[in-house]
Amino acid sequence: GAGVSQSPSNKVTEKGKDVELRCDPISGHTALYWYRQSLGQGLEFLIYFQGNSAPDKSGLPSDRFSAERTGGSVSTLTIQRTQQEDSAVYLCASSSLAGGQAQYFGPGTRLLVL
Amino acid sequence: GEDVEQSLFLSVREGDSSVINCTYTDSSSTYLYWYKQEPGAGLQLLTYIFSNMDMKQDQRLTVLLNKKDKHLSLRIADTQTGDSAIYFCAERENFNKFYFGSGTKLNVKP
Repeated sequence: GAGVSQSPSNKVTEKGKDVELRCDPISGHTALYWYRQSLGQGLEFLIYFQGNSAPDKSGLPSDRFSAERTGGSVSTLTIQRTQQEDSAVYLCASSSLAGGQAQYFGPGTRLLVL
Repeated sequence: GEDVEQSLFLSVREGDSSVINCTYTDSSSTYLYWYKQEPGAGLQLLTYIFSNMDMKQDQRLTVLLNKKDKHLSLRIADTQTGDSAIYFCAERENFNKFYFGSGTKLNVKP
């Protein structure tokens, strides 16, 4: 596609439920990142995928968080047993080796855990 | 991790120039970036500069890089109300690590 897309755009869930957030990167971008942005805050790195290499999971805040990337393209971020402190905007970005190697961001998924 | 710092707020009048500053700590950064975030939206790439450059100009935007002082700035000429947003600087340490500042909220008064 023309840009990074994310779905759903908004998600309201009850505490304790599992949620799945989806990211569709720019076609041909080999790198994919997930970030979390709490209200009025900067970006918190969660996880990074590069091609077929093992992902860098160093930013995942707990073992309730996991992510996968299928076929080197679409990625799913899963949060199990959601807590109220998981409420945030989850941003996905992709990048390639061209164009200053910049990250291009999706519009984000706004997650609210009640 | 690396520290990227920005001031939190900047207020200017429409038509004036805005200068948003950023400092970083990683001397091995290869690229530095400026992003704009409008309410309810993701981050939009504005411009980037390679670390061996001092300046880059793109229409109303001028990026200055002082590598010795690890200082990056973004100047917006003739600031408009539509420029009101949060501006993030970011540095790329290596291909898998980007570090973002906490963002500067620019308020443009008519």
